[in-house]
Amino acid sequence: EAGVTQSPTHLIKTRGQQATLRCSPISGHTSVYWYQQALGLGLQFLLWYDEGEERNRGNFPPRFSGRQFPNYSSELNVNALELEDSALYLCASSLLTGAQPQHFGDGTRLSIL
Amino acid sequence: GENVEQHPSTLSVQEGDSAVIKCTYSDSASNYFPWYKQELGKGPQLIIDIRSNVGEKKDQRIAVTLNKTAKHFSLHITETQPEDSAVYFCAASRTGNQFYFGTGTSLTVIP
Repeated sequence: EAGVTQSPTHLIKTRGQQATLRCSPISGHTSVYWYQQALGLGLQFLLWYDEGEERNRGNFPPRFSGRQFPNYSSELNVNALELEDSALYLCASSLLTGAQPQHFGDGTRLSIL
Repeated sequence: GENVEQHPSTLSVQEGDSAVIKCTYSDSASNYFPWYKQELGKGPQLIIDIRSNVGEKKDQRIAVTLNKTAKHFSLHITETQPEDSAVYFCAASRTGNQFYFGTGTSLTVIP
């Protein structure tokens, strides 16, 4: 069974540009979660999608947005990139929401120059 | 919402010794408590989990204990090995809700 896959592995952008990160969940998983992990720090919750709907978002500005497609894959968009957006962006999926394991991909390393 | 605190933030042990990481949570409705291990350059991997109807669970050298009354749970690693060196995260959630993660513990096992 294929795990959670994220693309690209690395992404280099400059300030003010826009970035799109993609995530394919484990087959059969309908819930997708996005997290930001700055270097050496913990997991900051960004967004949660379930059955195509945004269920909750963390304490991030509106320039962080995303969507979930009918096949349950997801993308995260970050507009007007700032230097502090440099981080590892992790996607996770689960079979059901809550009380079930979340399975993580290896992330997209976003670097802002 | 839920608040999860994790201690210590860093932990160094000699190879073969035991390591204990502790977490507390605030929402008494939380009923699922997973632990993740994150190695350098990788995403977090689930290593063990426990549900609120169980007090303890073991898997080889790893065990987790849960005290619902005190709202805390702990990860125990026995006979530590250098490959146990990583960052460990605890989390709490309840049915139909997202995960709330602790801030992580960087474990170093000294050969």
